Amino acid sequence: DAMVIQNPRYQVTQFGKPVTLSCSQTLNHNVMYWYQQKSSQAPKLLFHYYDKDFNNEADTPDNFQSRRPNTSFCFLDIRSPGLGDAAMYLCATSRRGDYNEQFFGPGTRLTVL
Amino acid sequence: GNSVTQMEGPVTLSEEAFLTINCTYTATGYPSLFWYVQYPGEGLQLLLKATKADDKGSNKGFEATYRKETTSFHLEKGSVQVSDSAVYFCARYYGGSQGNLIFGKGTKLSVKP
Repeated sequence: DAMVIQNPRYQVTQFGKPVTLSCSQTLNHNVMYWYQQKSSQAPKLLFHYYDKDFNNEADTPDNFQSRRPNTSFCFLDIRSPGLGDAAMYLCATSRRGDYNEQFFGPGTRLTVL
Repeated sequence: GNSVTQMEGPVTLSEEAFLTINCTYTATGYPSLFWYVQYPGEGLQLLLKATKADDKGSNKGFEATYRKETTSFHLEKGSVQVSDSAVYFCARYYGGSQGNLIFGKGTKLSVKP
């Protein structure tokens, strides 16, 4: 089945230690998104790629970076995680023009010690 | 402005009760509207959608009608089950060609046997 896959499902890192979260998709969608979701809150868009074009949300901290080496993969890099970065990180994809429906992965739960 | 407002939870119902979760939006024009569901520990899944005024989205017994007069997209289900316990997010298309969404804050539903 076509899907959005996130690895790992659970990630533990130490304060200040860089961490990378991975997302892959078999849907061949040209748009990929990264969201941060804290407990009992709505997902907050960090940035997205439209093909190779990177679009950063204005309030996304510089600590968060992203890479998209090809259509299928997208990475979220947190350069120096703080305690406040502990959250669920959701990857999503969409196909331009398809009524903007987004398909989400299961998420990666990040714990910062 | 552009926003989505949902009724605040948590909502607790008995099995087979009627469910309504209110959602209103502000927008210029008629954006596509969505309901997403998030089960504990998982990512978001699209529950239903409506792409133009007066459309009714439906799935798994849930329904929502796009009402432009009241700028609403209320979620309803005639008879809830314990397995419907989850967090429900209303969302609207944000703009541009890249499918960005604006989410409401989410409504947690708990269904008791």
